[in-house]
Amino acid sequence: AQSVSQHNHHVILSEAASLELGCNYSYGGTVNLFWYVQYPGQHLQLLLKYFSGDPLVKGIKGFEAEFIKSKFSFNLRKPSVQWSDTAEYFCAVNAQDSGGYQKVTFGTGTKLQVIP
Amino acid sequence: DTGVSQDPRHKITKRGQNVTFRCDPISEHNRLYWYRQTLGQGPEFLTYFQNEAQLEKSRLLSDRFSAERPKGSFSTLEIQRTEQGDSAMYLCASSLRTSGGNTDTQYFGPGTRLTVL
Repeated sequence: AQSVSQHNHHVILSEAASLELGCNYSYGGTVNLFWYVQYPGQHLQLLLKYFSGDPLVKGIKGFEAEFIKSKFSFNLRKPSVQWSDTAEYFCAVNAQDSGGYQKVTFGTGTKLQVIP
Repeated sequence: DTGVSQDPRHKITKRGQNVTFRCDPISEHNRLYWYRQTLGQGPEFLTYFQNEAQLEKSRLLSDRFSAERPKGSFSTLEIQRTEQGDSAMYLCASSLRTSGGNTDTQYFGPGTRLTVL
């Protein structure tokens, strides 16, 4: 069964600091990878996604993520965070199971708190 | 608003009662997903539909849970004989899967927060 691990449960950064949130997955086949963000009081929003091609993908608000197949990782990065980036971030993996059906698995999330 | 909508946003019920939630997907989306999210966890997959067909159900979806999408548009999720352990946020997402495409992006609604007393 596929699984997603987000190593950091709670991250606290000062504004302008660089951010890297870890995401590792376990699945041997072809995967599609996503990062979702949930701002306080709001619903889940897509931040960026990787389907194929360039393993470095850029999303909204200056976020990017790099798919490293050999490490089964899809870490999220931002060079300089802002207070408005305070949110919970979820990594997700979308893969086909043995029956050909899509299955999406989410990580447990990382809460990011940016201090002004 | 052309996003995914869910109704109600909050539901408080007593143990043993039945509840029903509704999800209206983005209009052209053919896939609709239900998830459950509890505190400190990511969304857990419950079930999904392609048009009106329910294609997969998670083992999390006990026989007290049933979902329908009768006309391939909106969907309902019913929980019968609710238990305190059913308290959670129930999320709906929709996506457009095109023929020949091998994946799709899900867009989430605001969720229905269920509290079972």
